[in-house]
Amino acid sequence: KAGVTQTPRYLIKTRGQQVTLSCSPISGHRSVSWYQQTPGQGLQFLFEYFSETQRNKGNFPGRFSGRQFSNSRSEMNVSTLELGDSALYLCASSRLAEQETQYFGPGTRLLVL
Amino acid sequence: EDKVVQSPLSLVVHEGDTVTLNCSYEVTNFRSLLWYKQEKKAPTFLFMLTSSGIEKKSGRLSSILDKKELFSILNITATQTGDSAIYLCAVDVHGGATNKLIFGTGTLLAVQP
Repeated sequence: KAGVTQTPRYLIKTRGQQVTLSCSPISGHRSVSWYQQTPGQGLQFLFEYFSETQRNKGNFPGRFSGRQFSNSRSEMNVSTLELGDSALYLCASSRLAEQETQYFGPGTRLLVL
Repeated sequence: EDKVVQSPLSLVVHEGDTVTLNCSYEVTNFRSLLWYKQEKKAPTFLFMLTSSGIEKKSGRLSSILDKKELFSILNITATQTGDSAIYLCAVDVHGGATNKLIFGTGTLLAVQP
């Protein structure tokens, strides 16, 4: 069974631009969560989608948004990029919602110059 | 505010040593505690703990949860250089049927030959 895939793997953008990251969950998984990992803050929860609905959101500004498609693939978008948005963005999928282990993708490394 | 604290922040040991990693938490609506190993990119799942006092074991790794004292430990016996990684502890908190992990900052383990 293929694991969680994320594209692109690496991205360089400049301040003020916007970016869209993509995540394809494990086949059969319907829950997709997004996390930001930085050296200073560690792994922080961004949001979670289940059946195309955002069900939970972390403490990030409105510049961070996401969506989920009917095939469970998810995208996250960051608008008006700031230097501090440079991070590893990880997505994780799980089959259902409760008591289910989340499996992580390889991440997208975003560098904002 | 939900909080997960790991200690030590980093650890250097020699092959063959036994290590104990600690994770304490203060969260509302605890559902489960998870351990992940992160070597290069994606965190890989190790254990999920939901009940106190029941040890989970996988080879040289084991973990146990104490829900009264709000902590968990991860033990690695007979360490090998391949155990070098960041070990992440995360608590799954629920608010209805949602999936949200609160991560600690991780423990960086370096195993020297």
